[in-house]
Amino acid sequence: NAGVTQTPKFQVLKTGQSMTLQCAQDMNHNSMYWYRQDPGMGLRLIYYSASEGTTDKGEVPNGYNVSRLNKREFSLRLESAAPSQTSVYFCASTPAGSQPQHFGDGTRLSIL
Amino acid sequence: KQEVTQIPAALSVPEGENLVLNCSFTDSAIYNLQWFRQDPGKGLTSLLLIQSSQREQTSGRLNASLDKSSGRSTLYIAASQPGDSATYLCAVRGPGGYNKLIFGAGTRLAVHP
Repeated sequence: NAGVTQTPKFQVLKTGQSMTLQCAQDMNHNSMYWYRQDPGMGLRLIYYSASEGTTDKGEVPNGYNVSRLNKREFSLRLESAAPSQTSVYFCASTPAGSQPQHFGDGTRLSIL
Repeated sequence: KQEVTQIPAALSVPEGENLVLNCSFTDSAIYNLQWFRQDPGKGLTSLLLIQSSQREQTSGRLNASLDKSSGRSTLYIAASQPGDSATYLCAVRGPGGYNKLIFGAGTRLAVHP
């Protein structure tokens, strides 16, 4: 019972490098989300996908792009990484409507 | 703009104590409120979800209440155990959008034997 799987779990990048964070869910959920969590702060929504084929900006989308590859997969791309993007990134999914979100274990990203 | 605040930021209690974690939000026009648990190095696990029309939800030793008009929610943990040690986050969903959540910064709970 995998739930929401994120890869990689850890990554160190240099400023200016690009990277794609992967997320896959096996629960047949319609909606998927990307959040970042910084010390002393709550999670903040970067992008979300209400259903396959749609994506929308969240609270902090600058510097990121996303792709909803199919119903299972939702990737987050950093085109030119900056130290301010050092954070823990979480992917989540939910079936529809007002249901609890299911979270992956996160990707810890450091940008030097 | 909706803001969610959790007080205290950290809490340390002896095993067996009953305790209350607090969550406040600035805009009472919410769709629901959710409490999560986060263990170190892990993702979030949903504990309780309260719809805006509900006053409370219970699961085992956990009870969450919601007072939408005053912008407050509490998470009550009965007979705390060392295994309850974790960070607890609350999040509110606004009336628009697709289940977009606004999170508080969390309360880090330590229950010592």
